Amino acid sequence: DVKVTQSSRYLVKRTGEKVFLECVQDMDHENMFWYRQDPGLGLRLIYFSYDVKMKEKGDIPEGYSVSREKKERFSLILESVSTNQTSMYLCASSLFTGYEQYFGPGTRLTVT
Amino acid sequence: KNEVEQSPQNLTAQEGEFITINCSYSVGISALHWLQQHPGGGIVSLFMLSSGKKKHGRLIATINIQEKHSSLHITASHPRDSAVYICAVSYTGNQFYFGTGTSLTVIP
Repeated sequence: DVKVTQSSRYLVKRTGEKVFLECVQDMDHENMFWYRQDPGLGLRLIYFSYDVKMKEKGDIPEGYSVSREKKERFSLILESVSTNQTSMYLCASSLFTGYEQYFGPGTRLTVT
Repeated sequence: KNEVEQSPQNLTAQEGEFITINCSYSVGISALHWLQQHPGGGIVSLFMLSSGKKKHGRLIATINIQEKHSSLHITASHPRDSAVYICAVSYTGNQFYFGTGTSLTVIP
């Protein structure tokens, strides 16, 4: 079974702090994704990566950056969090473009 | 950008009822995906389809490419089917476009 893990289930941070969310997949997938999920808005793509050191902006990249130094690991960085970044963050991976995505359990980030 | 619309937004059913959730999209796609999310849990993929119909246990997914419409059916619903069901579409490229989900509650 594909397993996608995320570094934290819950995080509480203060405005202005730096946040680092890490995602690891164990199935040698090429593609990895970071989404945020908000009530009424569904899942929105922040960034994705189709190979090591490669990244593409999604629909809402502002305020976020990513890093993929190893194939199995994709990190989301929030340099200086703000309250409007309070959300559920979900990581996913897929073997082929457009194919089934496997999701991690999510990180609920609260910014106060 | 592909618009993905789901209906209904919320659905309550009695155990044993037949349930239908609908999804429509606005432009041609390469595949449509149905996903399930339990409260507090991660998201799992139920189906990926590009034509016709697929069945897995009590779940059936159909797609009509000409009408740009898909349905997810649950036969003999059970309280453990209570979850949010999400429709997503993919086309050329890596990006999925997601509906906002249908929240299903099945009452014993």
